[in-house]
Amino acid sequence: DTAVSQTPKYLVTQMGNDKSIKCEQNLGHDTMYWYKQDSKKFLKIMFSYNNKELIINETVPNRFSPKSPDKAHLNLHINSLELGDSAVYFCASSLAGVILDTQYFGPGTRLTVL
Amino acid sequence: AQKITQTQPGMFVQEKEAVTLDCTYDTSDPSYGLFWYKQPSSGEMIFLIYQGSYDQQNATEGRYSLNFQKARKSANLVISASQLGDSAMYFCAMSPKTSGTYKYIFGTGTRLKVLA
Repeated sequence: DTAVSQTPKYLVTQMGNDKSIKCEQNLGHDTMYWYKQDSKKFLKIMFSYNNKELIINETVPNRFSPKSPDKAHLNLHINSLELGDSAVYFCASSLAGVILDTQYFGPGTRLTVL
Repeated sequence: AQKITQTQPGMFVQEKEAVTLDCTYDTSDPSYGLFWYKQPSSGEMIFLIYQGSYDQQNATEGRYSLNFQKARKSANLVISASQLGDSAMYFCAMSPKTSGTYKYIFGTGTRLKVLA
């Protein structure tokens, strides 16, 4: 019974393609996040949703579009993939998105763009 | 500017010894949270410990303790009795309030290697 799950775990694709990463949490949390971890292991937030509403949208290219069909799911769609999009993408969730909320991370999706 | 700094890119420690991983932060917010995560070579991010800015006592979770020095703006992680399984990347994170909401800002990480 995985708390935060992501699919797929690995994604290898060609430049210019469109791909999606799915995330689901069974913790009953209200807030979900997408992070990008680059090749130097630096983690940066991309988006955050609270109860299906977008609350954080960092300076991410608009080729990246998150979608939250319900509060347990947050998917990430990427259009026209570029080489620089290669990274590990982590989904996370927290109870209410408040200051001391612990964020629980999914296993990550390693995206490789060729 | 809100920032987390981890100045040790890599550390070695002998098995069964204690090790301190440094983390300093910069924020003008009076309220914030500080967190530590472990990322083993398998890649997942594992929550270890957190500290609130108003907490008087240092947080502890098993072999992990957070040495919180508010005046110095430091939140060092202390791992006691290191084990081989502690070899991993360790990330410090802060959750200041930004634009009415909270997000994590991560440091660049410290890679810890425990030696047998």
